Amino acid sequence: AQSVTQPDIHITVSEGASLELRCNYSYGATPYLFWYVQSPGQGLQLLLKYFSGDTLVQGIKGFEAEFKRSQSSFNLRKPSVHWSDAAEYFCAVQISNFGNEKLTFGTGTRLTIIP
Amino acid sequence: GAGVSQTPSNKVTEKGKYVELRCDPISGHTALYWYRQSLGQGPEFLIYFQGTGAADDSGLPNDRFFAVRPEGSVSTLKIQRTERGDSAVYLCASSLTLGGKPNTQYFGPGTRLTVL
Repeated sequence: AQSVTQPDIHITVSEGASLELRCNYSYGATPYLFWYVQSPGQGLQLLLKYFSGDTLVQGIKGFEAEFKRSQSSFNLRKPSVHWSDAAEYFCAVQISNFGNEKLTFGTGTRLTIIP
Repeated sequence: GAGVSQTPSNKVTEKGKYVELRCDPISGHTALYWYRQSLGQGPEFLIYFQGTGAADDSGLPNDRFFAVRPEGSVSTLKIQRTERGDSAVYLCASSLTLGGKPNTQYFGPGTRLTVL
């Protein structure tokens, strides 16, 4: 079965600094990959997704992620964070058989922004 | 357009009681998913509907949990004889069916269930 690892439980960065959140997956083939963000008391909002093609994908709110097959990774990046980026970030994978399968999520990384 | 809606937003119940959680998907979305998110964890899959039928219910933890989607739109997650360990946020998501092509799941705000 597929699994997702987000090794950083909590990250603190200064406003304006760059950000990288790590995500590694375990699956025999290339899965579909997603990053979601969850603000306190809110549902999950999709930031970006990778299905195929260009391994660098752009998302909303200035986020991007790079799929690296050799490292089984899909790290999320942002060049300059804003205070409003403080939230919980989840990486998720979906096996690529029929396109409608369940998502398997990591345990999340909580992002704190300091002024 | 309207997103996925879930009612109630909060539900407090006593151990042993029966609860129903409702999900109203995005109009036209044939696939519907239920997930459960415990404190400090990522969402965990419970069940997935394609139309009216459960295509994958492998995530339901035991037979106290049941879900229906009788008309292929609204879904209800039903929990019998609730236990304190059932306390969590229950998330619903929906997506289009694209004939085997990858899709995106859109999530509702969740129902926070507290079992006292």
